[in-house]
Amino acid sequence: GAVVSQHPSWVICKSGTSVKIECRSLDFQATTMFWYRQFPKQSLMLMATSNEGSKATYEQGVEKDKFLINHASLTLSTLTVTSAHPEDSSFYICSAREPDRYYEQYFGPGTRLTVT
Amino acid sequence: GQNIDQPTEMTATEGAIVQINCTYQTSGFNGLFWYQQHAGEAPTFLSYNVLDGLEEKGRFSSFLSRSKGYSYLLLKELQMKDSASYLCAVSDSNYQLIWGAGTKLIIKP
Repeated sequence: GAVVSQHPSWVICKSGTSVKIECRSLDFQATTMFWYRQFPKQSLMLMATSNEGSKATYEQGVEKDKFLINHASLTLSTLTVTSAHPEDSSFYICSAREPDRYYEQYFGPGTRLTVT
Repeated sequence: GQNIDQPTEMTATEGAIVQINCTYQTSGFNGLFWYQQHAGEAPTFLSYNVLDGLEEKGRFSSFLSRSKGYSYLLLKELQMKDSASYLCAVSDSNYQLIWGAGTKLIIKP
């Protein structure tokens, strides 16, 4: 089956610093990857859609200069939270989609970010 | 606008059957998904319905009626490990997933 990994699984950083989260498709090529954020007891919120080799498409209300997304290869997308603040503390989850399976997304295990 | 509704929380007894409903209004429809999510973990895929009817997979079944904008997830022979949140998601005309808020299922002995 399709496997997606995320690294790190959890990270603690100080306010004002930047954090990079990696999302990798391990056994398939992902032309499209999605980044979600989930606050406690809430559902997933789509932050952006990332297509390999092009700029990410951000959802309304998501600051593209704060959440930098790079999808440089067919197996890797990165999310960098710049100048992190405590309110950015959340569970960040990526998912990936195969080119010929538009209807299905494979989820990574998630990254727990805590900003102190 | 796009909207997906499901109950916030449900309680059931171990060994019993529970049905979690989901109604949706979306711009386009390319299938409906059910995911299970345990606290602190990513969602795991349970089922996918794109045609009307019932899909059965072991203890879990999922039903879809496109004309009514309605789906349900049926869990049989409930086990304590089934305590989790169950997320309903619809793939819209752009193949983006529109998510419901999730139903927290509490299983009691």
